[in-house]
Amino acid sequence: GDSVTQMEGPVTLSEEAFLTINCTYTATGYPSLFWYVQYPGEGLQLLLKATKADDKGSNKGFEATYRKETTSFHLEKGSVQVSDSAVYFCALRGSGGYNKLIFGAGTRLAVHP
Amino acid sequence: NAGVTQTPKFQVLKTGQSMTLQCAQDMNHNSMYWYRQDPGMGLRLIYYSASEGTTDKGEVPNGYNVSRLNKREFSLRLESAAPSQTSVYFCASSDTDQPQHFGDGTRLSIL
Repeated sequence: GDSVTQMEGPVTLSEEAFLTINCTYTATGYPSLFWYVQYPGEGLQLLLKATKADDKGSNKGFEATYRKETTSFHLEKGSVQVSDSAVYFCALRGSGGYNKLIFGAGTRLAVHP
Repeated sequence: NAGVTQTPKFQVLKTGQSMTLQCAQDMNHNSMYWYRQDPGMGLRLIYYSASEGTTDKGEVPNGYNVSRLNKREFSLRLESAAPSQTSVYFCASSDTDQPQHFGDGTRLSIL
């Protein structure tokens, strides 16, 4: 079945460092891909999405490119801030039928001043 | 500007007790979902409702029941709580094929 694999955390960075969180997926057909962010004590918020191969999703300085050849959707940000500290989830929605999301395990990011 | 509202935010139960988690959305979405979040496992779908009047099992439905009361409300019931159901529960809603919007979660502990 469909699955999502994310790099294990926690990821600890200094402010203004470059961020990469790896995400790879297994799916049949042409899934849509998402990154969600969860701040402490809150629910998940959609960060960005991409619906077809080579699409780049971007929001709040974060970017991710849908790479079908490597089945990847890595999250990047050029200069992280303390306020980016959160848990990041990669997810896919399969191409067949219902709007069901498959989530990765999540990666916790801690940014220090 | 409420979005998805879940109640309660925290609950402690004893093994064998029953409880209903409430969820309401004010975005006029057709679809609603219940997930559980456990450490190291991401979110797993318990049940979903594609539209008012329909419900279907997700990945981990055992021990749970749901009711889509109307278009706004989707409740999750634990008939006889077990320690393995200790988790954080999230409700979400969406329009068809659109990104899901999540509530802030219910943290449930079962002793």
